[in-house]
Amino acid sequence: QSVLTQPPSASGTPGQRVTISCSGSSSNIGSKFVFWYQQLPGTAPKVLMYNNNQRPSGVPDRFSGSKSGTSASLAISGLRSEDEADYYCAAWDDSLSGWMFGGGTKLTVL
Amino acid sequence: EVQLVESGGGLVQPGGSLRLSCAASGFTFSTYDMHWVRQATGKGLEWVSGIGSGGDTYYLGSVKGRFTISRENAKNSLFLQMNSLRVGDTAVYFCARGDSPTGFDPWGQGTLVTVSS
Repeated sequence: QSVLTQPPSASGTPGQRVTISCSGSSSNIGSKFVFWYQQLPGTAPKVLMYNNNQRPSGVPDRFSGSKSGTSASLAISGLRSEDEADYYCAAWDDSLSGWMFGGGTKLTVL
Repeated sequence: EVQLVESGGGLVQPGGSLRLSCAASGFTFSTYDMHWVRQATGKGLEWVSGIGSGGDTYYLGSVKGRFTISRENAKNSLFLQMNSLRVGDTAVYFCARGDSPTGFDPWGQGTLVTVSS
């Protein structure tokens, strides 16, 4: 069981907006930056969001991140078929002195 | 171009050892933290170990005492010595650069470690 909790699946139709949640605690999300990673089928993960809500260059502004207390969210607007992937949140945990990942959310574009 | 290439994976019996390597290129290796992250087939990502640019090391609790992370800056290489391997260690092991502020960026393509009798 992961320290960071994500829903195992999410779905939406093209053009819709979907949100993926990530719940943690005071020792991780509550006091540290949250990162989001996208893993397309058969490929290595890539960073999608850093420092809660910052997009690396090349990531479309359809992707946005937010954090409140011990929870974080990734929102994808204008959903496209190429967004179908696994999404993971991550944060450093002070109590465990290590990086923690959420269990991952499989996004399906219907 | 920043590139990370892992090697050293394979099939090993429970209790055996394996040494993974990660060859880095396209950046000043010595100035970055580096990490190993694993993913069992069909499962999520799990951070395994990290090493700072100054040599400080960090481990997932379940691998502490069994795995050792190290780096050789002169050869732009990262290593993971894995001893007393268990069936539960079976996974693809990714090497990732710890970039500030962007996090694990980029990642290698991974190397498969299978622990089975």
